[in-house]
Amino acid sequence: GDSVTQMEGPVTLSEEAFLTINCTYTATGYPSLFWYVQYPGEGLQLLLKATKADDKGSNKGFEATYRKETTSFHLEKGSVQVSDSAVYFCALSVNAGGTSYGKLTFGQGTILTVHP
Amino acid sequence: DADVTQTPRNRITKTGKRIMLECSQTKGHDRMYWYRQDPGLGLRLIYYSFDVKDINKGEISDGYSVSRQAQAKFSLSLESAIPNQTALYFCATSVGVEDTEAFFGQGTRLTVV
Repeated sequence: GDSVTQMEGPVTLSEEAFLTINCTYTATGYPSLFWYVQYPGEGLQLLLKATKADDKGSNKGFEATYRKETTSFHLEKGSVQVSDSAVYFCALSVNAGGTSYGKLTFGQGTILTVHP
Repeated sequence: DADVTQTPRNRITKTGKRIMLECSQTKGHDRMYWYRQDPGLGLRLIYYSFDVKDINKGEISDGYSVSRQAQAKFSLSLESAIPNQTALYFCATSVGVEDTEAFFGQGTRLTVV
């Protein structure tokens, strides 16, 4: 079956530090890949996405590149802010004959805390 | 108002009680989903619906049931709540194409004592 594995957390950084959160996947079909973010007390919201190999998704200074050869979609940001403190989820969605449309398979989530 | 609204936001219930969690959306999307979030496990799919007449089980449907009352409303029921159903529950909607984003409600925190 499909699965997503994220790096173990939590991750604690100082403001302006570089962030990497690793994400690897296994999928029976050809997936689209996503990063969702969950701020305290809120639901998940889409941070960025990539739909085919070598695509780079980017938003709010975050980036991730779809690497088919390594089945990875690592999240990076060059300089984190306190406001980036949240839980980050890597996810995939696979079209498997039409019945999988929109269904997301999530990683376990990585808690990021950024200190001033 | 939020595009995807869940009620209640918090609920404490006793073991064996029936409870319903409700979700309504103003996105106009056909597809709706119920996920459960547990620490260290991410979100797991309970049920999903592609339209009013189409209901499908997700990976963890045992102990749950759903009702799609209208395009905009999708309810999750726990017929006889048990403590290991204590979790954060999220409703989501999407257009349905696999690379289109899903929109989530703010979640319902359910505690079964």
